[in-house]
Amino acid sequence: NAGVTQTPKFRVLKTGQSMTLLCAQDMNHEYMYWYRQDPGMGLRLIHYSVGEGTTAKGEVPDGYNVSRLKKQNFLLGLESAAPSQTSVYFCASSYSTGYTEAFFGQGTRLTVV
Amino acid sequence: GESVGLHLPTLSVQEGDSAVIKCTYSDSASNYFPWYKQELGKGPQLIIDIRSNVGEKKDQRIAVTLNKTAKHFSLHITETQPEDSAVYFCAASIPGGNEKLTFGTGTRLTIIP
Repeated sequence: NAGVTQTPKFRVLKTGQSMTLLCAQDMNHEYMYWYRQDPGMGLRLIHYSVGEGTTAKGEVPDGYNVSRLKKQNFLLGLESAAPSQTSVYFCASSYSTGYTEAFFGQGTRLTVV
Repeated sequence: GESVGLHLPTLSVQEGDSAVIKCTYSDSASNYFPWYKQELGKGPQLIIDIRSNVGEKKDQRIAVTLNKTAKHFSLHITETQPEDSAVYFCAASIPGGNEKLTFGTGTRLTIIP
């Protein structure tokens, strides 16, 4: 019963470094999402995917890239990290559209110094 | 696009009392309204949702009411318990195209023993 698993759980980056966050789901969901959570800002959508091989921009996509090469995996990349990207990142997946339950991972706390 | 707002960033209630968290939305085309609960160190989890063709939905101690005219919906928790302490997020979804959830900023509910 893994559900949605995010790797890593914590990471500290220096400004300008790159990294990839991995999200894996074992529920055969079509839709996958990446959110960032900041104090007082709630959950903001970075990018999402409606199926294998597809990606789309969300509310705050700048500075991030994503890929969905396999249905079960959704990768979030930071090419050149900036302190403004310090946040908690959540991946989620859902069976269908925004009308169905979204299952969230445990989150990745990223600090950029 | 859709925007979702919560009236209170924090709310404290005595154990056993009721708690009500109100959320507003901007787009009258929105037709799906879930509430998510986020416990410390975890990802959000769906606790109840409502669709626009229904005015109220109840599940044991929690209920959600929808006022489409005023464009707001509320989470009601009765007989509150310490384990109800968490951050609660409302969200809304608009039909058509690639539907996705827009989240509010979250209300931190504290149950006072």
